Amino acid sequence: GENVEQHPSTLSVQEGDSAVIKCTYSDSASNYFPWYKQELGKRPQLIIDIRSNVGEKKDQRIAVTLNKTAKHFSLHITETQPEDSAVYFCAASAYSGAGSYQLTFGKGTKLSVIP
Amino acid sequence: DTGVSQNPRHKITKRGQNVTFRCDPISEHNRLYWYRQTLGQGPEFLTYFQNEAQLEKSRLLSDRFSAERPKGSFSTLEIQRTEQGDSAMYLCASSLAQLAGGSNEQFFGPGTRLTVL
Repeated sequence: GENVEQHPSTLSVQEGDSAVIKCTYSDSASNYFPWYKQELGKRPQLIIDIRSNVGEKKDQRIAVTLNKTAKHFSLHITETQPEDSAVYFCAASAYSGAGSYQLTFGKGTKLSVIP
Repeated sequence: DTGVSQNPRHKITKRGQNVTFRCDPISEHNRLYWYRQTLGQGPEFLTYFQNEAQLEKSRLLSDRFSAERPKGSFSTLEIQRTEQGDSAMYLCASSLAQLAGGSNEQFFGPGTRLTVL
């Protein structure tokens, strides 16, 4: 089955600096890679996703890059703000044939943005 | 609120008791997933429904766990003879089957936090 590794587990940055979180996956059939943000006690919320036919995607201060050959993808947050502080999860998914896109998640990165 | 809802939000039970959780997905979503999340970990897939059919189950889903989605709308997850190791947050997510190229986004509910004493 799929295995997703995520690094670092914790990350502290000064407000205004950039943050980068990296993930690797094992299943070459994986073709969908979402990133979720989870604030303490709240539900995971999708912040950006990328498909395997795209190398990079950007949405305002957030960008994701994908290297299919190396099987890794990264989340980049620029101009960080205190409200970016949360746990971020990467995930990978491959169509299962039964109609499922079950997600395999990394263990999460706790991002702290210091004002 | 038109998002995914789950009830109850918290459940405390004694070891050996049975518990049942409910998930109400976004109304037009035909795909429904259950995940389990323990402290400091990412969610782990448990099972998947497309409409009323349960099409996939994880090896994590022991025979004490059963899930249903009888009319293809809400879903229930039952745990029989609970054990302390079952303590976790149980998350439900839903999505809409799309044609190729459409969004695969899964929308998560707030979860049910189970504590087994």
